Amino acid sequence: EAQVTQNPRYLITVTGKKLTVTCSQNMNHEYMSWYRQDPGLGLRQIYYSMNVEVTDKGDVPEGYKVSRKEKRNFPLILESPSPNQTSLYFCASRTRTSGRAGTRETQYFGPGTRLLVL
Amino acid sequence: AQSVTQLGSHVSVSEGALVLLRCNYSSSVPPYLFWYVQYPNQGLQLLLKYTTGATLVKGINGFEAEFKKSETSFHLTKPSAHMSDAAEYFCAVSDSSASKIIFGSGTRLSIRP
Repeated sequence: EAQVTQNPRYLITVTGKKLTVTCSQNMNHEYMSWYRQDPGLGLRQIYYSMNVEVTDKGDVPEGYKVSRKEKRNFPLILESPSPNQTSLYFCASRTRTSGRAGTRETQYFGPGTRLLVL
Repeated sequence: AQSVTQLGSHVSVSEGALVLLRCNYSSSVPPYLFWYVQYPNQGLQLLLKYTTGATLVKGINGFEAEFKKSETSFHLTKPSAHMSDAAEYFCAVSDSSASKIIFGSGTRLSIRP
């Protein structure tokens, strides 16, 4: 089954304690990204990766790191979490194929990770 | 720079009534436009998207949206609401690379029996 998995799904931590949220996809997608969702703000992109070893900042990268050492995994790292990083986080992956009918794109979102930083 | 504005954080309609969720965008380049749906405690699911070509786009679950360049709009409609349509809906915009996708703040759709 094609899917994006995230772990953990729920996490409560304290300020300053480093944490990693894992994201894995089994579809051989080149593009992966991380979003945070906050009430009234919709989803905001944190980082994205166009391929292995290629990452770039989204709109709200401060306080986050990512790595893309292999195609299937795209972990999100919070080196020193703060309460303003309390949020719902989504990982997504996407594939794009171009043909005579145009560009076909399929994006999959993970189930989300709810993080509370005390 | 690109941005999205969704008018109305909460829309309530009766079952069987027309659903209209409004989305206006700003983009300095030809936009790609998306509508996503999020059911409670779930991730986002793509409803439909506009890239190029036909401006009326049909999606899943009977939804459709029309790209109107002159109005910079991409409103989502469904002729007859079902109870199962209750969810949060997000409009999004990107450029043709779709590397950075900008989401609107979302519209929660409620369906009255």
